[in-house]
Amino acid sequence: GQNIDQPTEMTATEGAIVQINCTYQTSGFNGLFWYQQHAGEAPTFLSYNVLDGLEEKGRFSSFLSRSKGYSYLLLKELQMKDSASYLCAAYNFNKFYFGSGTKLNVKP
Amino acid sequence: NAGVTQTPKFQVLKTGQSMTLQCAQDMNHEYMSWYRQDPGMGLRLIHYSVGAGITDQGEVPNGYNVSRSTTEDFPLRLLSAAPSQTSVYFCASSPRSRSLEQYFGPGTRLTVT
Repeated sequence: GQNIDQPTEMTATEGAIVQINCTYQTSGFNGLFWYQQHAGEAPTFLSYNVLDGLEEKGRFSSFLSRSKGYSYLLLKELQMKDSASYLCAAYNFNKFYFGSGTKLNVKP
Repeated sequence: NAGVTQTPKFQVLKTGQSMTLQCAQDMNHEYMSWYRQDPGMGLRLIHYSVGAGITDQGEVPNGYNVSRSTTEDFPLRLLSAAPSQTSVYFCASSPRSRSLEQYFGPGTRLTVT
């Protein structure tokens, strides 16, 4: 089976750094994706890790440890517009398995 | 480019009715997929296609059919709607061979009464 876990909700302050964790257990694994979804909107792609290590894209970074079945998304210099749900998804041979999403609340 | 388009945006069906949700993309993407999103459950894959004429089942395929006669279009058919199919449906596409990044359509909010 496939099991993707991430915290339901987090709160952070504008300008701060926040880390959203994701653990996965899948029967096969080819990569880990992160998407952002604002309320009432479609998900949009943030990052993708295939190999262990850190991928950096501006204020967003994503880390993967395949041996531990673990990933995190790091958001720096938080802005109010970062208030959204963040979805992690494990990819295995043409199929994407999404977690339930982490709702991030950014406070002034 | 319009990207990924979905119609309709909203739909109300009675139990037992059938309907087709339309999805089209103009990016020449090989991979297309359908998801449903329910509160607290994230996105769940219904069906996917890796190219015209090729489709396969995802996590929750029961009650849904798909076909892929062209690269651009990937309709989702509800055979006999049930209240358990009340959900938000997203279509997505990906170039696959160049990148696995998925581009999502705006979604269809379906209510079955």
